[in-house]
Amino acid sequence: EVELVESGGGLVQPGGSLRLSCAASAFTFSSYAMSWVRQAPGKGLEWVSVISGSGGNMYYADSVKGRFTISRDNSENTLYLQMNSLRAEDTAVYFCVKIKIPRVLRPADFDYWGQGTLVTVSS
Amino acid sequence: QSALTQPPSASGSPGQSVTISCTGTSSDVGGYNYVSWYQQHPGKAPKLMIYEVNKRPSGVPDRFSGSKSGNTASLTVSGLQTEDEADYYCSSYVGTNSLVFGGGTKLTVL
Repeated sequence: EVELVESGGGLVQPGGSLRLSCAASAFTFSSYAMSWVRQAPGKGLEWVSVISGSGGNMYYADSVKGRFTISRDNSENTLYLQMNSLRAEDTAVYFCVKIKIPRVLRPADFDYWGQGTLVTVSS
Repeated sequence: QSALTQPPSASGSPGQSVTISCTGTSSDVGGYNYVSWYQQHPGKAPKLMIYEVNKRPSGVPDRFSGSKSGNTASLTVSGLQTEDEADYYCSSYVGTNSLVFGGGTKLTVL
């Protein structure tokens, strides 16, 4: 069964940095684009970023562009999200998600989700 | 990109049908057949219920169906069951490798 396990969340001060990881298993990781989606406490879902299966193409929501960097290590089946210049409004649960269709970069149709990791930005 | 518009709440009695709307524009819902619906129970990760407007992933009951007309997509849940009580989110591809979600609808089974 596909499994996505996020880690790396925690409390960070405004302006600080954090790196999230997502360990994937039970599917051919390099064949699928992956995304990050976040959810602020009590709020709705917000798409954050997507990366191609090869790792060569990345796209971001305007709200995080220039501050967040998505990457992946296909040899380790791991997805990352480097978050810099963090703001209070970045406080959220961050979900690692798999795109359903192989070899498609389009961020849509998220068929597997991790359990999420909470990032809190506060002084 | 603005969020898609969903009603904050919807309700129905067990066995009844309920439809949740998701309204966007010609740049998102109306422009692409990449509308998805997710179910989220409290404290849990979302679950894909419908993709590409009207396709059901394996394991999702056929009580759940999706459709689209113009700039509005809809999720219909037929034969409501207590376990269907959850938050539901729509999403739409908006081109240039970007995605927008709806604000979410809380479905209550009375």
